[in-house]
Amino acid sequence: GESVGLHLPTLSVQEGDNSIINCAYSNSASDYFIWYKQESGKGPQFIIDIRSNMDKRQGQRVTVLLNKTVKHLSLQIAATQPGDSAVYFCAEKVWGGSYIPTFGRGTSLIVHP
Amino acid sequence: SAVISQKPSRDICQRGTSLTIQCQVDSQVTMMFWYRQQPGQSLTLIATANQGSEATYESGFVIDKFPISRPNLTFSTLTVSNMSPEDSSIYLCSVKGQGRQETQYFGPGTRLLVL
Repeated sequence: GESVGLHLPTLSVQEGDNSIINCAYSNSASDYFIWYKQESGKGPQFIIDIRSNMDKRQGQRVTVLLNKTVKHLSLQIAATQPGDSAVYFCAEKVWGGSYIPTFGRGTSLIVHP
Repeated sequence: SAVISQKPSRDICQRGTSLTIQCQVDSQVTMMFWYRQQPGQSLTLIATANQGSEATYESGFVIDKFPISRPNLTFSTLTVSNMSPEDSSIYLCSVKGQGRQETQYFGPGTRLLVL
């Protein structure tokens, strides 16, 4: 289930289940969104991105969904594996605007074998 | 994507001392960024470092505390000066993707503990 801890929200799933990580963004002008994965002891790694002219984009085992009406972004991970355990951050920005994205709070995904 | 390395990967320092963190990129990049990530938190931008000009600092960060060098297009340093335990954090170097790429890529981070 999903819970809010002292710092980061946490999502716990069983290996093989599908995971859905949610992100609400704040700037209605944002039109470019990125998901990052940060494993323990490492820097954030780019997973997948989406521009606002799309509402869905698929990668390898990952899908990002964008709902501009409610300013909501989600990352779906299919057949979650223990190696998917990490903190996931969404980031938003205006394409062609400031080079600096705004990062979300992050969600900790824990995958139980 | 660029390959980014940082040194040191971690350090334990005494309060009042300073630590310089190095960031090396395997390709020439115009813009480099330094972030701080406190335990269990998201990323906070410290400054943007452009080659040939002074770094641009975000609100709450000043040059005296976090001096930055950017001597060429593949290298930058961030110094954490006169450290206190509140500076204990992960410090991340980041670069913008090449050309029209809008994505940022991150180094592995430097884990700093100040006693």
